[in-house]
Amino acid sequence: QLQLQESGPGLVKPSETLSLTCTVSGGSISSSSYYWGWIRQPPGKGLEWIGSIYYSGSTYYNPSLKSRVTISVDTSKNQFSLKLSSVTAADTAVYYCARHRLRRLGSPPGWFDPWGQGTLVTVSS
Amino acid sequence: DIQMTQSPSSLSASVGDRVTITCRASQSISSYLNWYQQKPGKAPKLLIYAASSLQSGVPSRFSGSGSGTDFTLTISSLQPEDFATYYCQQSYSTRFTFGPGTKVDIK
Repeated sequence: QLQLQESGPGLVKPSETLSLTCTVSGGSISSSSYYWGWIRQPPGKGLEWIGSIYYSGSTYYNPSLKSRVTISVDTSKNQFSLKLSSVTAADTAVYYCARHRLRRLGSPPGWFDPWGQGTLVTVSS
Repeated sequence: DIQMTQSPSSLSASVGDRVTITCRASQSISSYLNWYQQKPGKAPKLLIYAASSLQSGVPSRFSGSGSGTDFTLTISSLQPEDFATYYCQQSYSTRFTFGPGTKVDIK
């Protein structure tokens, strides 16, 4: 059974860079059928997609965050990572990683399943 | 970006009730619409993908319908474990967006 686990600091200072890693177990991150995505949820609010990456390194980013986001993949470790620069209090959220399934081979991704348990990142000095 | 809206934003229902949640897209998204359930303190769980396909392991009381701009998630007979927040998500555009959520609580 595929599982995803987020890891990284729970507290980041304003203006610094948030860095998280998602470790995939029970399956290969190099599958041709999936992208791998990051989604966040501020406390008490809704879901916001951040970006997704294919094992080859191809990415999709949320345009509203694109200037501050870098998503990378390490197939040797079965991990993918998120970096969000110049953070502010507005970036405080639970950050989830998830498998992002292709709608069909050769098409963009569609739905997210499964999800990691999420990790709360607080931006505060 | 494609904007997603949901109605109602919240509803109160009883066990055994039939519940319908609506999701509307700001432009046609064909059938590229997915539904998730989220319980407090937990990650979202995929229920329905491609508007009407039931994810493996999800009870058959959940169903989805619609195409174009208007979609519905129906719970045929609400169970105690179904009290949660439900989100729709469009995957027509690669600027993936979620609806604001519908909270279903106990009447």
